[in-house]
Amino acid sequence: EVQLLESGGGLVQPGGSLRLSCAASGITFSTSVMSWVRQAPGKGLEWVSVISGSGGSTYYTDSVKGRFTISRDNSKNMLSLQMNSLRAEDTAIYFCAKLAGWDAFHIWGQGTMVTVSS
Amino acid sequence: EIVLTQSPGTLSLSPGERATLSCRASQSVSGNYLAWYQQRPGQAPRLLIYGASSRATGIPDRFSGSGSGTDFTLTISRLEPEDFAVYYCQQYGGSRTWTFGQGTKVEIK
Repeated sequence: EVQLLESGGGLVQPGGSLRLSCAASGITFSTSVMSWVRQAPGKGLEWVSVISGSGGSTYYTDSVKGRFTISRDNSKNMLSLQMNSLRAEDTAIYFCAKLAGWDAFHIWGQGTMVTVSS
Repeated sequence: EIVLTQSPGTLSLSPGERATLSCRASQSVSGNYLAWYQQRPGQAPRLLIYGASSRATGIPDRFSGSGSGTDFTLTISRLEPEDFAVYYCQQYGGSRTWTFGQGTKVEIK
């Protein structure tokens, strides 16, 4: 069964850090382009970051550049998102997703909630 | 950056009716890399259509996508109770950027 399972969300103060993880199963992880997509409460979807299968290429939406770092461990089928200097506007559900090729977000996890508040 | 505008914001229909959702891009979508997603309350999005008109695995044939360039349409031929949800379009810009539309809510009339 194909499954993406996120963890690591929680409540953090503005300026703080959090590390999200996504455990993948049922897919050929090492060749899969992976991503993080977020959804603020009551709002639409926003792509956050994408990483190539090898991990050699990474991409970020402008609002998180320099603050977030995407990475992967292909030996453990694990995707991560290190989030630093968090802001209130980073409050959202963060979904892990596998891309089909480079274009469509094919498989989604159930998401993990990140709340940035004092 | 390509901006996607979905219309209408809300569509009020009855089960069995036909739903037509629009997604308009501010510039031509290269390679017709346009996808549609369904999101039910409290759930993750689900891929319905990719490449503007190809159905994803397991998606019923009442869902169809069409369009090219800047104008795209998702059609649900006969609404089932489980189809009442929010629908998003999304494009891939080819320069390693991805954009979602703001969503269309299909609600029960």
